[in-house]
Amino acid sequence: DVKVTQSSRYLVKRTGEKVFLECVQDMDHENMFWYRQDPGLGLRLIYFSYDVKMKEKGDIPEGYSVSREKKERFSLILESASTNQTSMYLCASSLLAGTTEAFFGQGTRLTVV
Amino acid sequence: AQKITQTQPGMFVQEKEAVTLDCTYDTSDQSYGLFWYKQPSSGEMIFLIYQGSYDEQNATEGRYSLNFQKARKSANLVISASQLGDSAMYFCANGPRLQGAQKLVFGQGTRLTINP
Repeated sequence: DVKVTQSSRYLVKRTGEKVFLECVQDMDHENMFWYRQDPGLGLRLIYFSYDVKMKEKGDIPEGYSVSREKKERFSLILESASTNQTSMYLCASSLLAGTTEAFFGQGTRLTVV
Repeated sequence: AQKITQTQPGMFVQEKEAVTLDCTYDTSDQSYGLFWYKQPSSGEMIFLIYQGSYDEQNATEGRYSLNFQKARKSANLVISASQLGDSAMYFCANGPRLQGAQKLVFGQGTRLTINP
């Protein structure tokens, strides 16, 4: 079974802190994604990566950065957390070809106080 | 840019009835895929069904089928004989079938509640 594992299920951070959300997949997938999920807005793409050290902005990249130093690991970084970044964050991975589904992690519910 | 629209924020259906969840999409890609995911209250995203833009037949997976109308840019999910366990959020997604990247864009979701 494909496994996408996010490092934390729940996280509470203070405004201004630097926050790292980690995601690891074990199926050698080329594509990895970070989404945030908010009620009424669905899933919005923050960043995605199709190869090591390659990244592209999604629809809402402001306030976030990412790192992909190894194929299996994709990190989301909040340089200076703000209360409007309180949300559910979902990591996903998929094969390079566009015909296969994405596999999701269990999500990290981040609260910024 | 891609865009997915799910116009039904919530739906209530009696158990054993069929239900159709609407999805329309907007894309400039010639070749693309359409996906449906289910998210129960536990939070994990479960893949349900996939339709390729050049697939001539509508996709089916057990009780799930995808009513694909390319000219109308519509990809509705049909669940036959609904069950209590079908209560969940449902998301439609679209992605290009390009070499090198697959940027998935999701809709806002529909919350489906199955009543006994």
